[in-house]
Amino acid sequence: EPEVTQTPSHQVTQMGQEVILRCVPISNHLYFYWYRQILGQKVEFLVSFYNNEISEKSEIFDDQFSVERPDGSNFTLKIRSTKLEDSAMYFCASSEADRPYEQYFGPGTRLTVT
Amino acid sequence: AQKVTQAQTEISVVEKEDVTLDCVYETRDTTYYLFWYKQPPSGELVFLIRRNSFDEQNEISGRYSWNFQKSTSSFNFTITASQVVDSAVYFCALSEARGHSGGSNYKLTFGKGTLLTVNP
Repeated sequence: EPEVTQTPSHQVTQMGQEVILRCVPISNHLYFYWYRQILGQKVEFLVSFYNNEISEKSEIFDDQFSVERPDGSNFTLKIRSTKLEDSAMYFCASSEADRPYEQYFGPGTRLTVT
Repeated sequence: AQKVTQAQTEISVVEKEDVTLDCVYETRDTTYYLFWYKQPPSGELVFLIRRNSFDEQNEISGRYSWNFQKSTSSFNFTITASQVVDSAVYFCALSEARGHSGGSNYKLTFGKGTLLTVNP
């Protein structure tokens, strides 16, 4: 069964460094999302992406964040200069055109900023 | 704005007890979708169920059942004869469709989750 994959599973970085979190959505999906979950808290929407542009972004998704679909298969989230409070689990999700409300989640990338 | 409230932060039961997890939602839309996800200690999000706003039929899947009531904006989840493996955080979530540049955005708004502990 096709699935969303994310790499790496765990990333440790120093404050101020740039990180890129990678996601490979399911191949025929057209809607892409990033969510964040700070440890022990709820899952929060960051950004949605459709037709090669951002559909919506949350207040969390400030100028330090960017997303890209560089090659038609990967969907990346970049944090330019990480802060301690960026430490969280980051989930990628995708959905297909016929059932856009049915999001498939990846296993997540745990980001630890020290 | 859409909002999901899970008033129960933690629930602890003994194996074989029935347990109901509450979910109340707010939305301005007439078309929306409701979800339940399970998050075990390993951290991944496991999809359990989706309901759309036009379908108020309750659903049963094995030991799991869901009660959707539009009149009270609630979408409660019951586990019958709970087992230790049911121990996890359970999230209720809401999705509205938002049109944008010819496409749509079905972002999910999650509740804060309920930590269910099933003791042997």
